[in-house]
Amino acid sequence: GEDVEQSLFLSVREGDSSVINCTYTDSSSTYLYWYKQEPGAGLQLLTYIFSNMDMKQDQRLTVLLNKKDKHLSLRIADTQTGDSAIYFCAEILVGNQGGKLIFGQGTELSVKP
Amino acid sequence: GAVVSQHPSRVICKSGTSVKIECRSLDFQATTMFWYRQFPKQSLMLMATSNEGSKATYEQGVEKDKFLINHASLTLSTLTVTSAHPEDSSFYICSARDAKYYEQYFGPGTRLTVT
Repeated sequence: GEDVEQSLFLSVREGDSSVINCTYTDSSSTYLYWYKQEPGAGLQLLTYIFSNMDMKQDQRLTVLLNKKDKHLSLRIADTQTGDSAIYFCAEILVGNQGGKLIFGQGTELSVKP
Repeated sequence: GAVVSQHPSRVICKSGTSVKIECRSLDFQATTMFWYRQFPKQSLMLMATSNEGSKATYEQGVEKDKFLINHASLTLSTLTVTSAHPEDSSFYICSARDAKYYEQYFGPGTRLTVT
């Protein structure tokens, strides 16, 4: 079955880089996503990567995908206090699953000044 | 990115009453919308997948007669919690998938409190 795992907490100092890791099990996933959720809010799509890519960079965000190990990471450069939130990785099941997203448990990022 | 709205953002209702939550895609057409439930400090739990013009597909364990979903147009899906009970209190989030791309955009969520 499909499963997505994340570590639950990460604490960094302002200005440092943050790396949030995620593992998934479904090798047929075509897209993998990172979402950000601030308290009391919905999910904000940060970035996504297609499974035939190894890396994707978008300003302070770098996504690395190791398809062999089914490992996905999100690196946030120069982390700011405004980056404090819960970060979810997700994979999409295509075909007859109708594009259903499978989420990890979420990683709570705490940025200390 | 695309915008998805939800209404209301917060609702308090009495036990036994029904409450309707709307989810709208504002600047794109969504052939598929999803309804999630989230408990504090937990991940999102998919409740159902809603396709425009057809019946919703419910996840295992979700009562379809209790959580009524209607996807009447390409920009609107509604979730009605019928005969609400305190255990239905939760944060309900919808998402909409662009018909062209595998991108899912989430609404801001609705906090339901049943007293």
